[in-house]
Amino acid sequence: NAGVTQTPKFRVLKTGQSMTLLCAQDMNHEYMYWYRQDPGMGLRLIHYSVGEGTTAKGEVPDGYNVSRLKKQNFLLGLESAAPSQTSVYFCASSPLGNIQYFGAGTRLSVL
Amino acid sequence: QQQVKQSPQSLIVQKGGISIINCAYENTAFDYFPWYQQFPGKGPALLIAIRPDVSEKKEGRFTISFNKSAKQFSLHIMDSQPGDSATYFCALQASFEGSARQLTFGSGTQLTVLP
Repeated sequence: NAGVTQTPKFRVLKTGQSMTLLCAQDMNHEYMYWYRQDPGMGLRLIHYSVGEGTTAKGEVPDGYNVSRLKKQNFLLGLESAAPSQTSVYFCASSPLGNIQYFGAGTRLSVL
Repeated sequence: QQQVKQSPQSLIVQKGGISIINCAYENTAFDYFPWYQQFPGKGPALLIAIRPDVSEKKEGRFTISFNKSAKQFSLHIMDSQPGDSATYFCALQASFEGSARQLTFGSGTQLTVLP
């Protein structure tokens, strides 16, 4: 039982490049989330999903897209990376309840 | 807009001391008030949480105090230990299931407990 697994752990991009971050959970959770964490700003919600095939915008969705084709996977895409997207990205999942379980994060630098 | 204000930004406490972190919120559309603990290089993990119909909840050395009328809640860590050194986030959890019960996080408090 791995919980929430994020890949990759680290990535460096050049401005304008694209990439996809993968989140996988093996707990059969309905809800999944993508956050970004920046110094002094806590975690901010980018996008979330209430179930397979559904996604919705969070607080800071601009510049990101997501997909949830399978219940266990939640993908975060950056179509044209910008330096402002340099951050640590966390994925989380939750059953139909209160607790969110977080992955270990992906550290992304955009040069 | 910042829905939850957390203070202090950083806190240094001697081993055995009491650590206190405070959060204040504005909107009342939340029904669950968790605290998450994050160690360096790890994701946040739920530490303790409280519902607004309760004024205090204690789990071991960790206590949440909740003041609904003042829209404030705080985390108290008794007998603080070096292993408690971490970043602590308060959060507000939305009551609406259609929103996936989103969390709105405070800005975090970096706690250092000196040996």
